[in-house]
Amino acid sequence: GAVVSQHPSRVICKSGTSVKIECRSLDFQATTMFWYRQFPKKSLMLMATSNEGSKATYEQGVEKDKFLINHASLTLSTLTVTSAHPEDSSFYICSARGVGGRDYEQYFGPGTRLTVT
Amino acid sequence: DAKTTQPPSMDCAEGRAANLPCNHSTISGNEYVYWYRQIHSQGPQYIIHGLKNNETNEMASLIITEDRKSSTLILPHATLRDTAVYYCIVSSLNTNAGKSTFGDGTTLTVKP
Repeated sequence: GAVVSQHPSRVICKSGTSVKIECRSLDFQATTMFWYRQFPKKSLMLMATSNEGSKATYEQGVEKDKFLINHASLTLSTLTVTSAHPEDSSFYICSARGVGGRDYEQYFGPGTRLTVT
Repeated sequence: DAKTTQPPSMDCAEGRAANLPCNHSTISGNEYVYWYRQIHSQGPQYIIHGLKNNETNEMASLIITEDRKSSTLILPHATLRDTAVYYCIVSSLNTNAGKSTFGDGTTLTVKP
């Protein structure tokens, strides 16, 4: 099946700094990518949907100036957490939806564990 | 997207069939039922999806009621590695509208 990678898998940063998380579709072109966050023992919460070459659509309550999403190519989307604070510590997961073949499926990345100290 | 309701937890004996129910009474005509599972600290894994017919693949079977208001995921011979949180989601195929909203899922524990 299709593979989605995320980098880094874990990151620790100091409060006030920015962190960039990359999401790549390795063997298919992803026209749409989704970003989720997940707190311990909770379900995934959709943060935003991004289509290649256009601005991301953010879910209600998600600050677009704090969580910058760029989907510059059909294989790469990035999430930048700006001015991170301890409450931003979470598990961030991306998923990608592709063109052709089994494009009804969302393929999920392995997640990125962000810890803000 | 339609909301789904699942029991919070279920146990299953190893080697037995695990039947996970899901209610999606507000599903609309163009929405598919998808099932994913998430093993601790990993990204969700696609299992199966369907529209109105029952579906089977190498991982599981999906039974959708005739009125499409509920479905059941069946793992025919559960193993310890099937212990995970299982999410039932309804979503359309249209890319712009096809975002997946996750509910709380069912934590399946397979016991030896």
